[in-house]
Amino acid sequence: GAVVSQHPSWVICKSGTSVKIECRSLDFQATTMFWYRQFPKQSLMLMATSNEGSKATYEQGVEKDKFLINHASLTLSTLTVTSAHPEDSSFYICSAYRGPGPTNEKLFFGSGTQLSVL
Amino acid sequence: SQQGEEDPQALSIQEGENATMNCSYKTSINNLQWYRQNSGRGLVHLILIRSNEREKHSGRLRVTLDTSKKSSSLLITASRAADTASYFCATVRGRTGANNLFFGTGTRLTVIP
Repeated sequence: GAVVSQHPSWVICKSGTSVKIECRSLDFQATTMFWYRQFPKQSLMLMATSNEGSKATYEQGVEKDKFLINHASLTLSTLTVTSAHPEDSSFYICSAYRGPGPTNEKLFFGSGTQLSVL
Repeated sequence: SQQGEEDPQALSIQEGENATMNCSYKTSINNLQWYRQNSGRGLVHLILIRSNEREKHSGRLRVTLDTSKKSSSLLITASRAADTASYFCATVRGRTGANNLFFGTGTRLTVIP
């Protein structure tokens, strides 16, 4: 099966610091990775689409300077929350796309990162 | 939500009963997918149904799709306590692929032993 590893699982940081979250596809190459944000008991909101070797595409209302995304290789994408504030506290989830094909339209998700900003 | 609504928002049933969750979406789709999320965890893909399909089965899961009504349903038969989780529908707009996958509001299912 396809495994996506997300690290860390949880992080607590002080306001004003930056936090980096990693998303790795362990047994396949992911041409595209997605970053979602989820508030308690709510749905996932797509933040941005990360393509290997190019700039991420951000959804409307998501600050690209606040949420820096880097997709340096076909197996790694990172999300950096810069100058984090309490309102950035949330559950962040990444997912990876294996590539086009009749059975490859589903996404494989990391286990998520709970960010708490004090 | 970015794409659709699900109902009910929460559902509580006894073990052994069937659970039905509904999803409505707003735009034309290429396919619709159902995912499961245990509390505080990532999502696990359950089943995918294409826009030209009306019904699909996978084990105890049965999914229907009505593109004229822009709605889908997920039925879990003979529920188990381990089925307790949140269930989300997600739709793909536009061309084939995992681009632009948007999630519904989700149904929180509780199966009481």
